[in-house]
Amino acid sequence: GAGVSQSPRYKVAKRGQDVALRCDPISGHVSLFWYQQALGQGPEFLTYFQNEAQLDKSGLPSDRFFAERPEGSVSTLKIQRTQQEDSAVYLCASRDRGPNEKLFFGSGTQLSVL
Amino acid sequence: QQPVQSPQAVILREGEDAVINCSSSKALYSVHWYRQKHGEAPVFLMILLKGGEQKGHEKISASFNEKKQQSSLYLTASQLSYSGTYFCGTGAGYTGGFKTIFGAGTRLFVKA
Repeated sequence: GAGVSQSPRYKVAKRGQDVALRCDPISGHVSLFWYQQALGQGPEFLTYFQNEAQLDKSGLPSDRFFAERPEGSVSTLKIQRTQQEDSAVYLCASRDRGPNEKLFFGSGTQLSVL
Repeated sequence: QQPVQSPQAVILREGEDAVINCSSSKALYSVHWYRQKHGEAPVFLMILLKGGEQKGHEKISASFNEKKQQSSLYLTASQLSYSGTYFCGTGAGYTGGFKTIFGAGTRLFVKA
């Protein structure tokens, strides 16, 4: 695709609901990242995939957060039993193979947990 | 570890200059700079890969002092379009991967 695509753009969930956020990276990009951005803060690293392998999930806040990228392209970030503190913008970014390549960000999914 | 940015916020008049700093307690392998406008995705400005490297993008340039573990972003003759939040990102490498960790951001507002 032309850019990184994320859906939905906005998601409102009741506390306790499960949500799934989708990221469609730029075609051919090997690396994919998920970040969480709270209001007025910088993007905080959640997890990183290289192709289908999840190389780093050290930033996931709890075991309620789960990410997958089964075929090495589209990725899904799932949050189970959502809590109010999960409210944030979830950004997905992809990058070509080299570690010094720039990140291309999607527009994010704004999650509001009521 | 998250890099530290300063200042937290800057207000400029059109045409004025600004400097945004980014420092890290860990050795820096690379520094990325991004700008994010309200409600939009962060957009890449430039990446600096080695100590002393300087780069430019329009009237925005950056330097990287590897020894001091810091980078600075220079905005000269600011334009209204420069308003937004600027993030520095530092590269953290480890076996099999390389991730970017971002600072908390510097909010820049340029007024006419």
